[in-house]
Amino acid sequence: ETGVTQTPRHLVMGMTNKKSLKCEQHLGHNAMYWYKQSAKKPLELMFVYSLEERVENNSVPSRFSPECPNSSHLFLHLHTLQPEDSALYLCASSQDLGQGNSYTFGSGTRLTVV
Amino acid sequence: EDQVTQSPEALRLQEGESSSLNCSYTVSGLRGLFWYRQDPGKGPEFLFTLYSAGEEKEKERLKATLTKKESFLHITAPKPEDSATYLCAVLGGSARQLTFGSGTQLTVLP
Repeated sequence: ETGVTQTPRHLVMGMTNKKSLKCEQHLGHNAMYWYKQSAKKPLELMFVYSLEERVENNSVPSRFSPECPNSSHLFLHLHTLQPEDSALYLCASSQDLGQGNSYTFGSGTRLTVV
Repeated sequence: EDQVTQSPEALRLQEGESSSLNCSYTVSGLRGLFWYRQDPGKGPEFLFTLYSAGEEKEKERLKATLTKKESFLHITAPKPEDSATYLCAVLGGSARQLTFGSGTQLTVLP
């Protein structure tokens, strides 16, 4: 298991459901990220937190709502999703913002919206 | 806006058949170029960082090189366990996060 743990690994939800993705890191990193990975597309940055403060929100629909209660935990709350939101959602952390050589990814949550 | 283009999209090699993956980038003031490996069902795993043109890094059968416009990931005598998707990312200018390419899916056949 890597230093970044994501749960659940798989999630199937209906368009009217509400669910949450959880990410936890025990690396002492200061920055945490949510990415969306769709087939044959670049990793799409969704949200960035630095020291529990949101610093980036890349025009993500409001049906995705992040929460960072402390520097070790990151959540992605989901509600009224669309089928096109089906993807692999990856959480990552790094020592500081943009420090690519310390980026550590979780194994992701495979989300299917039906 | 930083841009990263990786080619080919997919590559199939026979075991022992050396080849190279390409990462072309456009960035204002490169602060770092990063290579990651991603296995199915897992998140990307860091391989290399390159900072300036002419720099090279090696790890087992992999060697990464950098010019002012592109980076190559050379794979020498690959083995089936090298099969994975290889991602390239850049950090440029005043950006605070990485820009990723779409990746190259490498399959090495025994």
